[in-house]
Amino acid sequence: QLVLTQSPSASASLGASVKLTCSLSSGYNNYAITWHQQQPEKGPRYLMKVNSDGGHIKGDGIPDRFSGSSSGIERYLIISSLQSEDEADYYCQTWGTGILVFGGGTKLTVL
Amino acid sequence: VQLVEAGGAVVQPGGSLRLSCAASGFAFDDYTMHWVRQAPGKGLEGVSLITSDGDTTYYSDSVKGRFTISRDNSKNSLYLQMNSLRTEDTAFYYCVKDMSPKYSGYVSEGSDYWGQGTLVTVSS
Repeated sequence: QLVLTQSPSASASLGASVKLTCSLSSGYNNYAITWHQQQPEKGPRYLMKVNSDGGHIKGDGIPDRFSGSSSGIERYLIISSLQSEDEADYYCQTWGTGILVFGGGTKLTVL
Repeated sequence: VQLVEAGGAVVQPGGSLRLSCAASGFAFDDYTMHWVRQAPGKGLEGVSLITSDGDTTYYSDSVKGRFTISRDNSKNSLYLQMNSLRTEDTAFYYCVKDMSPKYSGYVSEGSDYWGQGTLVTVSS
């Protein structure tokens, strides 16, 4: 069964970098995912698509501070030079032959 | 790209509601579309998908048999008919564009644009 697992929370200091992880269920290591950001009281926004080879395609207007990578069943979102507006919930998403599948989300706190 | 949902309201358990989504800024009839929901304070949940031609639909187990997704490509519009509503259907409902064009051969390749959401509250 296709499942995405994310840590519920993460924190990092202003100006630092953070790496968020999304794990695919076993056997799905060739699947791509997308990352989405949801700031407080707002709808989600597409950040990027991350392929199994680590290549990533960012959405319109997404700063260079945001990047992605992959290793095995894990997909990463790396945010560098953290800013206060990066404090948000981050969701990974994938797809099989049916509806969209989401991870539980990671709440990022910028200290 | 702009996706604007409408139709959210307060409705009693067992009632019905129809959501709509007006799409603009892209070739609507080329793309699979989705409805995704988010209960207050909770995560995102894929609800339904419809392919570009409207011929193929999928539903989550939690709404199968109660919700119906449809589209009118002549009006650049997406719909979600919700029947037999339950308190657990209370959520923001988002209209979401897939990034897979119809000529790709894939039903879905993930989503790239979201609407602002419309709130459905099921309560007596």
